[in-house]
Amino acid sequence: AQSVTQPDARVTVSEGASLQLRCKYSYSGTPYLFWYVQYPRQGLQLLLKYYSGDPVVQGVNGFEAEFSKSNSSFHLRKASVHWSDSAVYFCVLSTGNYKYVFGAGTRLKVIA
Amino acid sequence: ETAVFQTPNYHVTQVGNEVSFNCKQTLGHDTMYWYKQDSKKLLKIMFSYNNKQLIVNETVPRRFSPQSSDKAHLNLRIKSVEPEDSAVYLCASSHGGNQDTQYFGPGTRLLVL
Repeated sequence: AQSVTQPDARVTVSEGASLQLRCKYSYSGTPYLFWYVQYPRQGLQLLLKYYSGDPVVQGVNGFEAEFSKSNSSFHLRKASVHWSDSAVYFCVLSTGNYKYVFGAGTRLKVIA
Repeated sequence: ETAVFQTPNYHVTQVGNEVSFNCKQTLGHDTMYWYKQDSKKLLKIMFSYNNKQLIVNETVPRRFSPQSSDKAHLNLRIKSVEPEDSAVYLCASSHGGNQDTQYFGPGTRLLVL
């Protein structure tokens, strides 16, 4: 069965520090992977997505993610976080057939 | 800019009542979804519709029923709410359903007393 694991439920970083949010997936086929962000009392917004090609994909607001087939991972990174990045981040796997599998989310808190 | 609209924002009701949530998308997408997000932020898909046809119907209680009048609208009715239905219900749309980006509405927060 397909699954997405985000092992860190909560991450706290200082403003200006670098960030990595981890995501591992389980799927035997070709994965289509997304990172979404959810700000308080809002819907989810797309940060970036990976289908194929260069394993490092760039997204909005300075975010990037790296796909690793050997590690079944799709980690999200940012070189320097801002307080406004505080939100919940979701890693999502699409397996086709109108199904999307969501990770449990990582709540990011950026402190001064 | 919001392109997936949900009403109401918030609804409080009592056990056993019927509620209905509305969702409209102005993106011209063919596929719409309903998700349930619990208090721990876990997201579970409930239904997927493509061109007004039900495509995915995950294991949800029978008191939940989606209703689609056209491909821009997908409403959700809960016939007799239970306390465990308290959650945020998120509507989303996508161009197709295979690996396409989903666009989410702001959600409807339901509280069942």
